[in-house]
Amino acid sequence: SAVISQKPSRDICQRGTSLTIQCQVDSQVTMMFWYRQQPGQSLTLIATANQGSEATYESGFVIDKFPISRPNLTFSTLTVSNMSPEDSSIYLCSGRDSGLTGELFFGEGSRLTVL
Amino acid sequence: QKEVEQDPGPLSVPEGAIVSLNCTYSNSAFQYFMWYRQYSRKGPELLMYTYSSGNKEDGRFTAQVDKSSKYISLFIRDSQPSDSATYLCAMSEGSSNTGKLIFGQGTTLQVKP
Repeated sequence: SAVISQKPSRDICQRGTSLTIQCQVDSQVTMMFWYRQQPGQSLTLIATANQGSEATYESGFVIDKFPISRPNLTFSTLTVSNMSPEDSSIYLCSGRDSGLTGELFFGEGSRLTVL
Repeated sequence: QKEVEQDPGPLSVPEGAIVSLNCTYSNSAFQYFMWYRQYSRKGPELLMYTYSSGNKEDGRFTAQVDKSSKYISLFIRDSQPSDSATYLCAMSEGSSNTGKLIFGQGTTLQVKP
């Protein structure tokens, strides 16, 4: 499967600021997703990053809070806006294999701590 | 009720033990079942993939799906310290290429030498 690189790998942020996470895939993928993984919780899908159009958000997540860009088939960004301590979490970028199994592969995640 | 339930553990076993990890689910439309392994400070990686009911074996790992009971399992034989990780079950309905994946909470496994 393809390899995903995310940066930053971790950051400590102040309340009220915004942070953009970058996700780079080493090959073209049809579908890219952003997940959140809070301590002791399962992975929660934030949105599907659509190439050249607006992302598709899951219930409970909105564009104003989590704007997403995907300018091409190998790159996407997620911004966490106006952060609060509740946004402290691991944010994972993922891509979906176009093969039979549709394997979902992940980056190593970006660990955000909001003070 | 969560769509997918998984005991978070932690589960601690001695090296060489047989490990059984389980998930239950409520959505009878789920058809694709996966197990992901996540090492500390790493992203999840696909370990096993199963379609519909039945068993699938890959080396020391066996995945079982019982759709009638809405229950899936992952067995690890001859467990090794390198198996220490968090194991997440995931499932989707419809096509495996487009269906949304729903993850369990993950079970933390520690294999002691």
